[in-house]
Amino acid sequence: GAVVSQHPSWVICKSGTSVKIECRSLDFQATTMFWYRQFPKQSLMLMATSNEGSKATYEQGVEKDKFLINHASLTLSTLTVTSAHPEDSSFYICSARGQGTSNQPQHFGDGTRLSIL
Amino acid sequence: QQQVKQSPQSLIVQKGGISIINCAYENTAFDYFPWYQQFPGKGPALLIAIRPDVSEKKEGRFTISFNKSAKQFSLHIMDSQPGDSATYFCAARSGAHITGGGNKLTFGTGTQLKVEL
Repeated sequence: GAVVSQHPSWVICKSGTSVKIECRSLDFQATTMFWYRQFPKQSLMLMATSNEGSKATYEQGVEKDKFLINHASLTLSTLTVTSAHPEDSSFYICSARGQGTSNQPQHFGDGTRLSIL
Repeated sequence: QQQVKQSPQSLIVQKGGISIINCAYENTAFDYFPWYQQFPGKGPALLIAIRPDVSEKKEGRFTISFNKSAKQFSLHIMDSQPGDSATYFCAARSGAHITGGGNKLTFGTGTQLKVEL
């Protein structure tokens, strides 16, 4: 149980385009989803926290107009990287936490490798 | 202080040996300490977690030792196997009631483990 699916797993696009990444909780309802960014051989850095039906909370230094997050349902959150540039190339990982107490563990997706040419 | 310090950065262990990874934290509001295993190109997977009211938790070959007074915790992998070769992250989470930082995971810097035959 507690499967989180990310799509696509890998995307290459030209500089200036926008890219949408989907994060789905397949067998549970996720009231809260988290988006992380991970550079090679580095740790996960939290970008934003999204709660279903409300605006995402962004971490300091993360541009909310560049990284648009939508959490329209209890099983789907999307991250859109707008006007992507080569420096946005990274591994983006989402996680989801189920309903119930706030002490529910986070379950991670398998990440999306984004390469901007 | 939200930082979680992790050591060593990399570790090579012989098959059958014990792998030990250490983490230290400053924020006394942290009340949940998970360990994650990450293989290349994949998202992190929860291995084992502990709360500060216990000093040790064991699940199979994985044991967490927790020292609340020293604000340190460690992961022990007994009988290490080549399949354990991965990057391991410790993390810490503060309670939901903590304003501005509740329920977010703060990750350590990661340890790249290689188990040799």
